[in-house]
Amino acid sequence: GNSVTQMEGPVTLSEEAFLTINCTYTATGYPSLFWYVQYPGEGLQLLLKATKADDKGSNKGFEATYRKETTSFHLEKGSVQVSDSAVYFCALTGPYNQGGKLIFGQGTELSVKP
Amino acid sequence: EAGVAQSPRYKIIEKRQSVAFWCNPISGHATLYWYQQILGQGPKLLIQFQNNGVVDDSQLPKDRFSAERLKGVDSTLKIQPAKLEDSAVYLCASSLGVGEQPQHFGDGTRLSIL
Repeated sequence: GNSVTQMEGPVTLSEEAFLTINCTYTATGYPSLFWYVQYPGEGLQLLLKATKADDKGSNKGFEATYRKETTSFHLEKGSVQVSDSAVYFCALTGPYNQGGKLIFGQGTELSVKP
Repeated sequence: EAGVAQSPRYKIIEKRQSVAFWCNPISGHATLYWYQQILGQGPKLLIQFQNNGVVDDSQLPKDRFSAERLKGVDSTLKIQPAKLEDSAVYLCASSLGVGEQPQHFGDGTRLSIL
């Protein structure tokens, strides 16, 4: 079945450091890929998405590129801020839509220190 | 626009008791999702509605969980009787239609089973 695997956290960085959170997926066909962010005590918010191979999603300085050849969708940011501290979830919706349900990775907690 | 509303925010019950959660989606959103998020894991879909009909309930433990969306707007998720492993955050999400992204999430209900 479809699945998502993320690098384990927590990830602790200093402010202005470079961020990479790895995400790989297993799916038949070509899924749509997403990164969601969850701030403490809040629900999930869509951060960025990509719907086909080689697409780059970007938002708020975060980027991720849909790599079909490596089945990956790694999240990057050039310079993190304390306010980026949150849990980040990689997710996919199956190809052929399958009702649009999201399949999530286990989440990666990011802590940014001043 | 108003976001997805959920209540209560927190609930503590003893095992074998019953509990209900309420969700009011964004106005005009035809599709409503209930996800279960166990600590340290990504959300997992329990049930998906399109208006007042069920699209996917394949992961819903039907011997104890039930959900309804009688008028195609707000929804209730019930657990009866609760087990210790039901301790989790229950997230409600909505979208314009089946397969439409993004899904908009509420802040969730944190359930603790004693």
